[in-house]
Amino acid sequence: KAGVTQTPRYLIKTRGQQVTLSCSPISGHRSVSWYQQTPGQGLQFLFEYFSETQRNKGNFPGRFSGRQFSNSRSEMNVSTLELGDSALYLCASSLVPGQGDYGYTFGSGTRLTVV
Amino acid sequence: SQQGEEDPQALSIQEGENATMNCSYKTSINNLQWYRQNSGRGLVHLILIRSNEREKHSGRLRVTLDTSKKSSSLLITASRAADTASYFCATESHTGANSKLTFGKGITLSVRP
Repeated sequence: KAGVTQTPRYLIKTRGQQVTLSCSPISGHRSVSWYQQTPGQGLQFLFEYFSETQRNKGNFPGRFSGRQFSNSRSEMNVSTLELGDSALYLCASSLVPGQGDYGYTFGSGTRLTVV
Repeated sequence: SQQGEEDPQALSIQEGENATMNCSYKTSINNLQWYRQNSGRGLVHLILIRSNEREKHSGRLRVTLDTSKKSSSLLITASRAADTASYFCATESHTGANSKLTFGKGITLSVRP
């Protein structure tokens, strides 16, 4: 079956702009989580969505937001981009977190560069 | 904030040798997972061990978990050049209906042909 699909793969944006990243989970997976990976901070949890509801949020400013649609696809948005937002953004899908401990399937990520 | 800390930060071995990577964490967990990442691409789930398990095997992988010491180790036996990658441990803690992974900073494994 198809894996987790993230689009676009690469993005270059200018400071102050906003960006929207997309993630399509594995068919049947209803939970989507987002992570930011930078050389300095490593992998950090952004937020998790399940059934169109944000269930958990990491320690990021309000410029970072997301949503999940009825088909489980998710988008995350970063407004007023800063240079420090340059990172690899990873999306992970799972059946239903917290039940069964199945692990997560990650997409290939979106590499965002802010100039 | 990082929960897990891997040790060593970098490991270089010859093909055919075993690679052992360690991970320590700070708080109680529901499970611990190991992931592999090749050249800044997505993470690949390798193995998951639940908090009530002590050892688990999957192919050439063996993972142990010591909850009293809050530590885990990942052993890759008979390593191959294709195992060259970054390896991350991640702990999962369920708080009510919430769940998230907390990652360590990763170990860079180089397997020389």
